[in-house]
Amino acid sequence: SQTIHQWPATLVQPVGSPLSLECTVEGTSNPNLYWYRQAAGRGLQLLFYSVGIGQISSEVPQNLSASRPQDRQFILSSKKLLLSDSGFYLCAWNGGSGNTIYFGEGSWLTVV
Amino acid sequence: AQKVTQAQTEISVVEKEDVTLDCVYETRDTTYYLFWYKQPPSGELVFLIRRNSFDEQNEISGRYSWNFQKSTSSFNFTITASQVVDSAVYFCALSGPRGAGGTSYGKLTFGQGTILTVHP
Repeated sequence: SQTIHQWPATLVQPVGSPLSLECTVEGTSNPNLYWYRQAAGRGLQLLFYSVGIGQISSEVPQNLSASRPQDRQFILSSKKLLLSDSGFYLCAWNGGSGNTIYFGEGSWLTVV
Repeated sequence: AQKVTQAQTEISVVEKEDVTLDCVYETRDTTYYLFWYKQPPSGELVFLIRRNSFDEQNEISGRYSWNFQKSTSSFNFTITASQVVDSAVYFCALSGPRGAGGTSYGKLTFGQGTILTVHP
């Protein structure tokens, strides 16, 4: 069966420090991958999506970037974190059109 | 542009009561998908249901049921005989169809969520 994992689960980082959140999907190939952020107020917003290795599309301008170095690996990064980057980050995947979209466990990021 | 509205910010019920969570959506797509997710205190999003725009049949899964009405652009979620374990934030979400390059599907637009508290 397919599973999705992301880590670290919790992260406290100072302003100006770098960030790397990793997401891995197992049990499937060529998934579509997504990074969402849930800021205070509970709304979820799509940040990036990828339909294949090296293919990244950004939905909103921001201080973050994403990369997909391998088929089932999706990384969210920042060179210098801002206070406004704090939030709950969720990775998601689906196997194509009409398939269910599943989310990882999430990563809590607090920028101090 | 797509939009999902969950007008109920918070709902509080006593165990065994029935509760309905409302979801109204806006889209220009003729083909689209609707979802409900549950977010318990642990934070992860738990998938509950996916419905495509061509299937207006209501669905029941145990104590959960969903009422999809295209005429009113609504996809409401009812929990029958609620339990304390149902306490969570519930999100309704909307996805477009598979577009060029297959990227529209999966780009979810979420409502703001409804906090459901079930008291014993």
